Amino acid sequence: AQRVTQPEKLLSVFKGAPVELKCNYSYSGSPELFWYVQYSRQRLQLLLRHISRESIKGFTADLNKGETSFHLKKPFAQEEDSAMYYCALGGSNYKLTFGKGTLLTVNP
Amino acid sequence: DGGITQSPKYLFRKEGQNVTLSCEQNLNHDAMYWYRQDPGQGLRLIYYSQIVNDFQKGDIAEGYSVSREKKESFPLTVTSAQKNPTAFYLCASSIIGTANTGELFFGEGSRLTVL
Repeated sequence: AQRVTQPEKLLSVFKGAPVELKCNYSYSGSPELFWYVQYSRQRLQLLLRHISRESIKGFTADLNKGETSFHLKKPFAQEEDSAMYYCALGGSNYKLTFGKGTLLTVNP
Repeated sequence: DGGITQSPKYLFRKEGQNVTLSCEQNLNHDAMYWYRQDPGQGLRLIYYSQIVNDFQKGDIAEGYSVSREKKESFPLTVTSAQKNPTAFYLCASSIIGTANTGELFFGEGSRLTVL
């Protein structure tokens, strides 16, 4: 069974502080991990995927198979980063399983 | 303007009535999905379809039904058997079989309230 755990429902940081949103997964096969973001009054959209190994809006995420984690990090948070973030796990059947989400608030 | 269109945006229903939510995409995507979004629950998969005339149950399919008669359309029916239907419903689509698999494009959602 596919499972994604995001342990923090809420995360609050100050502008300029580092931020880390945690994500752990459970999957017996070769996982594909994604981070999706939903800004206020906007559609849910893809932020980044582990296979791309890219940085989007200053965010990075590294897949750690040993710890079954895919934490999202940004060294200096900005107010516009405030949003709901979802970690998602894709398997071989094209089914995407989402975590429960973390609401990030970046305070001025 | 390409994308996913869901309608209606808001819907009210009396208990015991079936209701159908529309989802249309003009992205020529193979796969389409229905998710339910509840506060504190994240997104839970109801049904998904990878090809016309075929679909699979997701994690919470009970009380829901779908059809996929056309590639661009994937309507969801919330039946009277669904015990807690009041929720925000999201439709999505994606390409499959390529490196872009896993990138879902979402609609704006439909909020269903059962009175």
